[in-house]
Amino acid sequence: QSVLTQPPSASGAPGQRVTISCSGSSSNIGRNTVSWYQQLPGTAPKLLISRNIQRPSGVPDRFSGSKSGTSASLAISGLQSEDETYYYCASWDDSLNGQVFGGGTKVTVL
Amino acid sequence: QVQLQESGPGLVKPSETLSLTCAVSGYSISSGYYWGWIRQPPGKGLEWIANVYHSGSTYYNPSLKSRVTMSVDTSNNKFSLKLRSVTAADTAVYYCARRAGSHYYSEFDYWGQGILVTVSS
Repeated sequence: QSVLTQPPSASGAPGQRVTISCSGSSSNIGRNTVSWYQQLPGTAPKLLISRNIQRPSGVPDRFSGSKSGTSASLAISGLQSEDETYYYCASWDDSLNGQVFGGGTKVTVL
Repeated sequence: QVQLQESGPGLVKPSETLSLTCAVSGYSISSGYYWGWIRQPPGKGLEWIANVYHSGSTYYNPSLKSRVTMSVDTSNNKFSLKLRSVTAADTAVYYCARRAGSHYYSEFDYWGQGILVTVSS
């Protein structure tokens, strides 16, 4: 069971907006920043969002992150077929003194 | 461009020690940042294993701490992982990655391609 909680799945039609939630606690998301990763099948995770809201160079602006209190969200607007894959959130946990990941969300493009 | 490459045996026997190395190019480990290991069992999510700073200070996943040792070799720009007393539950793809230099900002920005390690007799 993951320290950060994500829904196992999310879906939307092409062009729609999909939002993935990541719920934590005061010892992780409540105190530290959140990062999001996209993992295509058979490949390493790729940093999608860092420091709650920052997009690394090359990441389309269709992807956006937000954080409020002990929860964070990843939004994908203008959903495209290539967005169909797994997404993970992560943060540092001050109580565990370690990195924590969400269980992952599979996004399906209908 | 920062690149990371994992190496090590793809098959380890139960009760033995899993040893992996991550070679870094395009950036000097001694310049800063944390360096970490993350694993992913087949069909499952990501699990953080450990981080090491260039100075050698380490952070371990509490659930693995008793079996894990991570070290850094700045002269050869590599860092390593040792996981002792492995079982089938340790079968996974192991990734090495570069992590931001503080716990507040803890993103992994560069990743290796991953190496599948199977624990089996």
